[in-house]
Amino acid sequence: DGGITQSPKYLFRKEGQNVTLSCEQNLNHDAMYWYRQDPGQGLRLIYYSQIVNDFQKGDIAEGYSVSREKKESFPLTVTSAQKNPTAFYLCASSIGIGDRGWNEQFFGPGTRLTVL
Amino acid sequence: SQQGEEDPQALSIQEGENATMNCSYKTSINNLQWYRQNSGRGLVHLILIRSNEREKHSGRLRVTLDTSKKSSSLLITASRAADTASYFCATAPRDNYGQNFVFGPGTRLSVLP
Repeated sequence: DGGITQSPKYLFRKEGQNVTLSCEQNLNHDAMYWYRQDPGQGLRLIYYSQIVNDFQKGDIAEGYSVSREKKESFPLTVTSAQKNPTAFYLCASSIGIGDRGWNEQFFGPGTRLTVL
Repeated sequence: SQQGEEDPQALSIQEGENATMNCSYKTSINNLQWYRQNSGRGLVHLILIRSNEREKHSGRLRVTLDTSKKSSSLLITASRAADTASYFCATAPRDNYGQNFVFGPGTRLSVLP
């Protein structure tokens, strides 16, 4: 089945630890995104990537890092510098961000991160 | 600045009624998209409407866009209990530089059987 997967579904982290959230897609999409969602809130863009080996900061990139070494994969690391990391993290992908603008995005099921 | 503010924040209706949600935004857009999210799940894309379009339909969904008022509405006709979810509008900036794709806080729709 084609789609986008995230793992793990739940993640617990102690303060001061870095953790990496996985995101994989087999839709052959060029663009991938990471969002953070807090309870009762909309989504805020952390990072996005339009092509392999390139990525741009979103609105709340501080305390996060990403890599895009393969088209299929866009892992997100939540570093110890992120002061309030407890949230629901959503990964998405799209055909691309081209001349016709931002296309529809396909979302994974999300990872709920809790800092203990 | 935040784009895509939905209104109302929460809406409760009876099954079979129509549900209307509104979205306002602040700057010029390339397109506006509506998404649905069931509790604790990822988002599902519903409709994309481009800035040169005024209305689009998909099944029981009808979306309108008024660029002069910088607003959009999502109408769900003949609602069902399964339509219970949060609905988000997201705005794509006119240019791809300096502005990001932005989601609003959402409207929580409850459809009562």
